[in-house]
Amino acid sequence: NAGVTQTPKFRILKIGQSMTLQCTQDMNHNYMYWYRQDPGMGLKLIYYSVGAGITDKGEVPNGYNVSRSTTEDFPLRLELAAPSQTSVYFCASSYEGEVQPQHFGDGTRLSIL
Amino acid sequence: GQNIDQPTEMTATEGAIVQINCTYQTSGFNGLFWYQQHAGEAPTFLSYNVLDGLEEKGRFSSFLSRSKGYSYLLLKELQMKDSASYLCAVRDRNYQLIWGAGTKLIIKP
Repeated sequence: NAGVTQTPKFRILKIGQSMTLQCTQDMNHNYMYWYRQDPGMGLKLIYYSVGAGITDKGEVPNGYNVSRSTTEDFPLRLELAAPSQTSVYFCASSYEGEVQPQHFGDGTRLSIL
Repeated sequence: GQNIDQPTEMTATEGAIVQINCTYQTSGFNGLFWYQQHAGEAPTFLSYNVLDGLEEKGRFSSFLSRSKGYSYLLLKELQMKDSASYLCAVRDRNYQLIWGAGTKLIIKP
């Protein structure tokens, strides 16, 4: 049982480049989330999805895009990478329901130079 | 604005008890979560409180007072493996999680 899988684990980008962070889950969760975690800060929600074909903005969506074509996959796209996007990115998923905790992937450590 | 406050860092001794506090001001309240995050790893779920009172899970307990906007995580019989950051998160009226910056707990022998 893999849970939430993120690729790549590490990446260095140049300013202005684009890339896609991959996230897939095998728990049949309908809710999926993308967060970024900066040193000394709480997790910030970038985008979330409540099911295939449905996405919505979180607290810090600028500079990012997402899609949810299947229940399993929720890729995060960075267009025109900027140094401010240097961070650790976590994908998470959960069942619908108040008590359901979010399950996290191992994260992608991204540096923009 | 919405705000979650936790101490930045705490130190405790192996075998002892430590209490990590969390205060929150959010637009609505639909539950409070505690997560553990070891350095360089993903957060993992520890506990959930939605009603006032204490929830106990083995060595870990979590308390909630909604009227005071306050929670704590109590860790007993501390072990070296408990060295980690502990994240408090509140689900607001839109059912989004608002996260604190986390408390780094250092366990000394």
